[in-house]
Amino acid sequence: AQTVTQSQPEMSVQEAETVTLSCTYDTSESDYYLFWYKQPPSRQMILVIRQEAYKQQNATENRFSVNFQKAAKSFSLKISDSQLGDAAMYFCAYRSFMDSNYQLIWGAGTKLIIKP
Amino acid sequence: DAGVTQSPTHLIKTRGQQVTLRCSPISGHKSVSWYQQVLGQGPQFIFQYYEKEERGRGNFPDRFSARQFPNYSSELNVNALLLGDSALYLCASSLGWGNQPQHFGDGTRLSIL
Repeated sequence: AQTVTQSQPEMSVQEAETVTLSCTYDTSESDYYLFWYKQPPSRQMILVIRQEAYKQQNATENRFSVNFQKAAKSFSLKISDSQLGDAAMYFCAYRSFMDSNYQLIWGAGTKLIIKP
Repeated sequence: DAGVTQSPTHLIKTRGQQVTLRCSPISGHKSVSWYQQVLGQGPQFIFQYYEKEERGRGNFPDRFSARQFPNYSSELNVNALLLGDSALYLCASSLGWGNQPQHFGDGTRLSIL
């Protein structure tokens, strides 16, 4: 069974600086998707960025980028120029490409605090 | 366009009662998934429905059931509520099958007394 591990329960960063959130996963599959979701206090899960395992190029979305290391099964999220609105819980999630139900498997989350 | 809507936003029940949670997907989305998020943890997959058929079930007891209606809205039912069922219940919709991102609602906070 696949698992997702986020080893940092909480991270803090000064506004305008860069922070990296860690995520590792375990799978025997070769094709899958990885996601970072943001959950602010409003509770809604918001998709931040997505990576397809078959793509070697790291995904980027404006200030958000990932470092995808397939062999190491590592998928970290880098947030550049941190803003107060980035404060939230961040969840790493895995989805099998072959799984018939395409369920998301989630890590426990990292709470990101932005210091003004 | 409206996003995924869930109702109610907050619900308080007592042990042994039954509860029904509702989800309306984004217009045009045919797949709905349900997740349970206990405080301080990541979500756990409960069910996925596509075209009104159950396509996946997580490791939850038979007290949990769901269905999807012809308009693609969905209900999650939980019978014989336990204290451990207290959680945020999230609904997500996607266009269809496979490689489509899931869009989440704001969730229903269920508290069991």
